[in-house]
Amino acid sequence: SQQGEEDPQALSIQEGENATMNCSYKTSINNLQWYRQNSGRGLVHLILIRSNEREKHSGRLRVTLDTSKKSSSLLITASRAADTASYFCATWRVDDKIIFGKGTRLHILP
Amino acid sequence: GAVVSQHPSRVICKSGTSVKIECRSLDFQATTMFWYRQFPKKSLMLMATSNEGSKATYEQGVEKDKFLINHASLTLSTLTVTSAHPEDSSFYICSARDLGQYYEQYFGPGTRLTVT
Repeated sequence: SQQGEEDPQALSIQEGENATMNCSYKTSINNLQWYRQNSGRGLVHLILIRSNEREKHSGRLRVTLDTSKKSSSLLITASRAADTASYFCATWRVDDKIIFGKGTRLHILP
Repeated sequence: GAVVSQHPSRVICKSGTSVKIECRSLDFQATTMFWYRQFPKKSLMLMATSNEGSKATYEQGVEKDKFLINHASLTLSTLTVTSAHPEDSSFYICSARDLGQYYEQYFGPGTRLTVT
């Protein structure tokens, strides 16, 4: 079963703009992770945020976590063509298995 | 960083045949490996958890006789799709959890299976 629900499902923005993707989940979590997947390829781990953290940065990425609302957001600043990919949030189920959300397909327009 | 490999990366097989996909952790030991399935433009769905030295545990709705999992060593798990049908065509991704670092889980590059 899937835990996270991302929105939007698809997002197209101009190169240089910021991209924001949101994720909502259903159960209590210990941490939440974001992954990137280029078309037909494997997953790339982007960032992990623990349940006691509210915000985390990594380069052009900013992740927030609101456990009261059971939601997280991923912000990519100054987007580049190479950022075109699908982005998934993932949480650990109570039995410690990673479950993925539906994903957001991000397309950066030149 | 830790590396998980999958072999083959792509495979085409005829309907009714079986195909085996290997997942290896190259520089760490993994007592637990996971198998996911992904349809085009969809998310990853957890199929089963592979435990070294014991039987795999399957998610609800996944046929254990259809998707045979063997976790023969701390670095190798195999998924065999038996009597494959076109609807089994999918992208299969494995993941391995580092024995020494519980919250570190690494994903393989995936295997594209096409059943004709």
